[in-house]
Amino acid sequence: EVQLLDSGGGLVQPGGSLRLSCAASGFTFSSYPMSWVRQAPGKGLEWVSHISTSGGSVYYADSVKGRFTISRDNSKNTLYLQMSSLRAEDAAVYYCARRGLPLGYWYFDLWGRGTLVTVSS
Amino acid sequence: QTVVTQEPSFSVSPGGTVTLTCGLSSDSVSTSYYPSWYQQTPGQAPRTLIYNTNTRSSGVPDRFSGSILGNKAALTITGAQADDESDYYCVLYMGSGIWVFGGGTKLTVL
Repeated sequence: EVQLLDSGGGLVQPGGSLRLSCAASGFTFSSYPMSWVRQAPGKGLEWVSHISTSGGSVYYADSVKGRFTISRDNSKNTLYLQMSSLRAEDAAVYYCARRGLPLGYWYFDLWGRGTLVTVSS
Repeated sequence: QTVVTQEPSFSVSPGGTVTLTCGLSSDSVSTSYYPSWYQQTPGQAPRTLIYNTNTRSSGVPDRFSGSILGNKAALTITGAQADDESDYYCVLYMGSGIWVFGGGTKLTVL
């Protein structure tokens, strides 16, 4: 089955760190660029970060630039989001999302179920 | 700062037609922004409906269609059904690996 399984969320104190993972299965993970998208409680979707197939190109929303790091391990079919200096406003459900093909079309075609990050003292 | 605008809420009668729009604070939306649309029900992950302005994702009923209307992207639901009651999000690709989501439209079918 083609799927993405997000994990790693939890409760963290302001200023703390957390690493999210997204395990891909059922497709050739290394062929797809990937993103993280988040949704604060009761709010809309917010694109967070994107990574190319090789990991050589990464992109971030201004709201997380300098604090979050996206990476991937194609040998493990896994996407990561290392989050540091966490703030209350980073609390959200984090979804990993696969960029759809063909690569000339800029959209997301597969979503994980999400993992909840709570930032509180 | 780029802002993508959507109607906060909309209502439609069962069997009716509704058009949701997706605009830009600082420009007209064109196909060059590769608008895509996503449906989300509470507690669930988003579901891809439309990409590249007007291409339906696999398995999406043909009552969902996408277009450019004037200076905005549009999602039209023709023959709305009760289970179309959801939140709908558009996202625009800004280039350089950056996307911006709209604030979403809460659609009520009643």
